[in-house]
Amino acid sequence: AQKITQTQPGMFVQEKEAVTLDCTYDTSDPSYGLFWYKQPSSGEMIFLIYQGSYDQQNATEGRYSLNFQKARKSANLVISASQLGDSAMYFCAMAPSGSARQLTFGSGTQLTVLP
Amino acid sequence: EAQVTQNPRYLITVTGKKLTVTCSQNMNHEYMSWYRQDPGLGLRQIYYSMNVEVTDKGDVPEGYKVSRKEKRNFPLILESPSPNQTSLYFCASSSGRATYNEQFFGPGTRLTVL
Repeated sequence: AQKITQTQPGMFVQEKEAVTLDCTYDTSDPSYGLFWYKQPSSGEMIFLIYQGSYDQQNATEGRYSLNFQKARKSANLVISASQLGDSAMYFCAMAPSGSARQLTFGSGTQLTVLP
Repeated sequence: EAQVTQNPRYLITVTGKKLTVTCSQNMNHEYMSWYRQDPGLGLRQIYYSMNVEVTDKGDVPEGYKVSRKEKRNFPLILESPSPNQTSLYFCASSSGRATYNEQFFGPGTRLTVL
């Protein structure tokens, strides 16, 4: 069984500052993938970034980076230079290797960017 | 345009009245899934399908049925809806077996069961 824990129900950040959203996971699978999704108030799910458990380097996608610490089982999302449009719910999720069919999600973090 | 479509987007119904939420993808994806989203719980998988005529239960399958008669379509059926099935529902699709296959999500269907 897999479990994702997001301990920050809500966070605030000042525009142009960086923010880290926490995600810890638990799995017995030797190989897995970690994902972050953004859900704006309009409701759609937007894929942001992916990290494979055997990837040597932390994933980056534009202003998003994933701080992957395998030994600590954490996969924190870092957003640099926050923008007002970053205000949204953010979900961390994971899937066992070979099973893109099944994502396990955390409960989400509501990020609010302040002007 | 590559997309996953769901219909209807919003639905208010009454307890016990059978309903179907349709899902269709135009990316020739093998994998399709249904999730429900509830406050404080994130998204939880209801059912998934690895290909035509192959479906399996996710984490919260009770009260739901699915079918996969065509590769592009994966309808979600509530035979006798109850108020605890009031939720936001997402259909998703992805290709292949590798872990890194982004799941493409539909726009969501907000269901209210009175």
